[in-house]
Amino acid sequence: AQSVTQLDSQVPVFEEAPVELRCNYSSSVSVYLFWYVQYPNQGLQLLLKYLSGSTLVKGINGFEAEFNKSQTSFHLRKPSVHISDTAEYFCAVTRTNFGNEKLTFGTGTRLTIIP
Amino acid sequence: GAGVSQSPRYKVAKRGQDVALRCDPISGHVSLFWYQQALGQGPEFLTYFQNEAQLDKSGLPSDRFFAERPEGSVSTLKIQRTQQEDSAVYLCASSLYQGAGEQYFGPGTRLTVT
Repeated sequence: AQSVTQLDSQVPVFEEAPVELRCNYSSSVSVYLFWYVQYPNQGLQLLLKYLSGSTLVKGINGFEAEFNKSQTSFHLRKPSVHISDTAEYFCAVTRTNFGNEKLTFGTGTRLTIIP
Repeated sequence: GAGVSQSPRYKVAKRGQDVALRCDPISGHVSLFWYQQALGQGPEFLTYFQNEAQLDKSGLPSDRFFAERPEGSVSTLKIQRTQQEDSAVYLCASSLYQGAGEQYFGPGTRLTVT
């Protein structure tokens, strides 16, 4: 079984400052990793994903994440945040052996941008 | 193109009532998932379909929960004799094929059991 830990439930950041949202995972098998964003009263939107290849992954809205296998981490970063980035962010994993692609999510990090 | 749609968006049910939640996946998507998201939590897997076949229902919390996808497109999640602990947002997601690597989520149905 897989599990995901998002260490920060809430992160306040000033506008135009950098941000890092932390994600660690645990799994006995190889996994694929994802970051999703959820705006109020909306479904989840994929920000970026790591399936294979370069461990530095770039996504939409200027976000990027780095897969670190030795530390079992997949932290999300943005060099300069905007008010529109205020949302809930979820890290998720699924096993690479696709018998079932069900996602296992963390509990989420609420990012609040301070003007 | 159209994304994943879900209806109703909001449902209030009295304890003991049955409810049915509908999901219309993206046309042509083979895989369909249901997740339950309690307040302040991440989504949790309920069940998975590949076309009309329900391949995994290990996440369904009790035998009051039932899901179907009879023609391999639209899916319905049914909850019988609703309880207060069933109050949550129910999310549907679809993906193009097994191994596609990305799930597209609908806006969810917020169920409140009073």
